[in-house]
Amino acid sequence: GQSLEQPSEVTAVEGAIVQINCTYQTSGFYGLSWYQQHDGGAPTFLSYNGLDGLEETGRFSSFLSRSDSYGYLLLQELQMKDSASYFCAVADSWGKLQFGAGTQVVVTP
Amino acid sequence: DAGVTQSPTHLIKTRGQQVTLRCSPISGHKSVSWYQQVLGQGPQFIFQYYEKEERGRGNFPDRFSARQFPNYSSELNVNALLLGDSALYLCASSDNSGRETQYFGPGTRLLVL
Repeated sequence: GQSLEQPSEVTAVEGAIVQINCTYQTSGFYGLSWYQQHDGGAPTFLSYNGLDGLEETGRFSSFLSRSDSYGYLLLQELQMKDSASYFCAVADSWGKLQFGAGTQVVVTP
Repeated sequence: DAGVTQSPTHLIKTRGQQVTLRCSPISGHKSVSWYQQVLGQGPQFIFQYYEKEERGRGNFPDRFSARQFPNYSSELNVNALLLGDSALYLCASSDNSGRETQYFGPGTRLLVL
């Protein structure tokens, strides 16, 4: 079957670093994406990995290991506004996204 | 430039009714995908359209249908509504297949009573 596993919740203080892991088991893998969703809002694109390695975009970085079917999102210098749900999503060659259940990140003062 | 727009923003229906949700993609984007998001879960893929043709269908019953118009806007139709259809329906557009980046609209929140 197809599945994506990510932790349900992570809590950290402002300024800290948080890593959200994602393991996947899917067919037709093309790449791994990360989306952020605030309560009541729409998912917004954060990062994409099509090849193994690290992608850095400001305070956010994402990593992919295709051989391990594993990726992670790294959030640095946490801010209160980073409190949100974060989803990993696997894309197939047609662009169909399969999302994980999401990780609720709670940032405390 | 305007982002992805969806209408209506909220909708209340009763069981057995039919509903039509609308989506306008970002200008220049030819691909539209529909997702259903139940509270506390990740979005679930329903359909993808590219250049007015269906490219993919998720694991949803035939009560769900969609189409894409020549201007690349799209409609999602759900017939014979069930209580379990209550969810946030999201539309996403992309300028190609959407494998790398998809841009989501604000969604339509559907409540079935």
